[in-house]
Amino acid sequence: GAVVSQHPSRVICKSGTSVKIECRSLDFQATTMFWYRQFPKKSLMLMATSNEGSKATYEQGVEKDKFLINHASLTLSTLTVTSAHPEDSSFYICSARGTDYSYEQYFGPGTRLTVT
Amino acid sequence: AQTVTQSQPEMSVQEAETVTLSCTYDTSESDYYLFWYKQPPSRQMILVIRQEAYKQQNATENRFSVNFQKAAKSFSLKISDSQLGDAAMYFCASRGSNYKLTFGKGTLLTVNP
Repeated sequence: GAVVSQHPSRVICKSGTSVKIECRSLDFQATTMFWYRQFPKKSLMLMATSNEGSKATYEQGVEKDKFLINHASLTLSTLTVTSAHPEDSSFYICSARGTDYSYEQYFGPGTRLTVT
Repeated sequence: AQTVTQSQPEMSVQEAETVTLSCTYDTSESDYYLFWYKQPPSRQMILVIRQEAYKQQNATENRFSVNFQKAAKSFSLKISDSQLGDAAMYFCASRGSNYKLTFGKGTLLTVNP
């Protein structure tokens, strides 16, 4: 149980275009989903927290107009990188917390974004 | 705010031996959780072990155990009988009342056959 999927696993897009990454909780309802960014050989940096049906809360320094987050249902959150640039290339990971308010976050397998 | 510090960028251990990864943290909260996550080359984050701050007893999961020193704000991970599959990046993390995870910079563990 407690499986989180991400789609796509890899994406290459051209500079200036937008790309959407989906995060789904497959066998549980996710009250809260988190989006992280990870540079090569670096730690995970929290970008934003999204709660179902409400606006996402962004961490300091994260451009909310560039990284649009939508959490329209208890099983789906999306991250859209708008007007992508090469510096947006990174590994993006989502995690989800269940409605049982447990301590644990379940992580997706990540999405590698390359902007050319 | 919470901070997590891992002072060992890389560690190595011989197969079947024991290794300890260090972690210190700082938090202003009285109720918090501490975690060790493993990230193998696949990049999938895997929970290794968790510790509730209100519990004095150190958590143990098979070959993995922690040494939780609350007063010193220290949370080290001991891996016993190391296996080749333990090779990965290990992240220490803390979680407060807002459910946000704060990660350390990670320790890359190499297991030598």
